[in-house]
Amino acid sequence: SYDLTQPLAVSVALGQTARITCGGNNIENRNVHWYQQRPGQAPVLVIFKDTQRPSGIPERFSGSNSGNTATLTITTAQVGDEADYYCQVWDDNSGEFGGGTKLTVL
Amino acid sequence: EVRLVQSGPEMKKPGESLRISCQTSGYIFPNYWISWVRQLPGKGLEWVGKIDPSDSYVNIRPFFRGHLTISTDKSTDTAYLQWTSLRASDTAMYYCARQQYANSPSDYWGQGTLITVAS
Repeated sequence: SYDLTQPLAVSVALGQTARITCGGNNIENRNVHWYQQRPGQAPVLVIFKDTQRPSGIPERFSGSNSGNTATLTITTAQVGDEADYYCQVWDDNSGEFGGGTKLTVL
Repeated sequence: EVRLVQSGPEMKKPGESLRISCQTSGYIFPNYWISWVRQLPGKGLEWVGKIDPSDSYVNIRPFFRGHLTISTDKSTDTAYLQWTSLRASDTAMYYCARQQYANSPSDYWGQGTLITVAS
């Protein structure tokens, strides 16, 4: 299996920039996808293939992937961005999720 | 509009069998894989397995093999997750999700089915 490491929690001031990391061995060689899960709701895809944004996802959400770390960046953070965020890759035809990061907007 | 609508919550006893469903609409069912994802209470997402409805090819995470099965019914555009003998440790929320290829991201998700297994 392929291990993905995320911080348990990240906090950001309202209107500032949040960065959530996803660590993995040579993760830059993999396509990383990011999901947002608000409390009591199903996950929503917010970034796919490292940097691509699905239709309907605000431009405030962006992604990058280099070396051993992929990063989800949320600019101008809003209260509605409070959620759990998960990174995902495919390894040997099996899906692997990071442990998830709880984003708090202060 | 693409929709994945899952069956309702279930309360079962250990040892009982169960099949939950994921009814899809708004797209050509055989053209997209379906993955199942488990979320234990208060925990993160865990990929369970996936199926290609076009040929019923299934890949299940080794941890779950032998304990559950994944299937589809192309006549009703529905995917299923099934257990023959539930355990208390199966208590969780289960999501189905659509993906274009075997290793694509999941772009649409069902609302989840909560399964509670307790004596």
